[in-house]
Amino acid sequence: LAKTTQPISMDSYEGQEVNITCSHNNIATNDYITWYQQFPSQGPRFIIQGYKTKVTNEVASLFIPADRKSSTLSLPRVSLSDTAVYYCLVGDRGSTLGRLYFGRGTQLTVWP
Amino acid sequence: GAGVSQSPSNKVTEKGKDVELRCDPISGHTALYWYRQSLGQGLEFLIYFQGNSAPDKSGLPSDRFSAERTGESVSTLTIQRTQQEDSAVYLCASSTWGASNRNEQFFGPGTRLTVL
Repeated sequence: LAKTTQPISMDSYEGQEVNITCSHNNIATNDYITWYQQFPSQGPRFIIQGYKTKVTNEVASLFIPADRKSSTLSLPRVSLSDTAVYYCLVGDRGSTLGRLYFGRGTQLTVWP
Repeated sequence: GAGVSQSPSNKVTEKGKDVELRCDPISGHTALYWYRQSLGQGLEFLIYFQGNSAPDKSGLPSDRFSAERTGESVSTLTIQRTQQEDSAVYLCASSTWGASNRNEQFFGPGTRLTVL
């Protein structure tokens, strides 16, 4: 499974757009990129998943360049409640569904 | 609808005692996972159950750890002769299975284990 690298922490203010970039240089052809969010004292929660180009849902957007060696999670107009740890994961979506490899993630702190 | 539930939410035990942690997955989810998360760390995979297949136990840190699952429902994680380094939050997750699955696992709130 491809290893991922992401910043340990980021700070932002309410109303700003936040972009968290994840590097995954060894991503394989069948791998998808998935992001999870974890609030204190809760289990992680799925945010978004993509394979290439751009994916958008009601929570976030995911930008993936053509070489797929990195991806950027974009959170529009963050609020205090977006303070959480964000994890980037890379793996085969279907046939080998099993363990998920979570690194330390990125601690996002949103200030008023 | 009910999500993944875990019990107890908190467990304090003495070193050397055995503990049992319970997980109730979402109904209909054939896959069930156990992870643990130490303070300030990411999640560490422990074990994975999928239907009637043999579980993937490759993440269990020692033979003091074991897990069982009854059919496609409740799972119990047992830690024997607990050690202080076992202190962590133990998270359970469940998911559906299939080629269209988007790697979405649904996590419970966790059990915080403290070994004194």
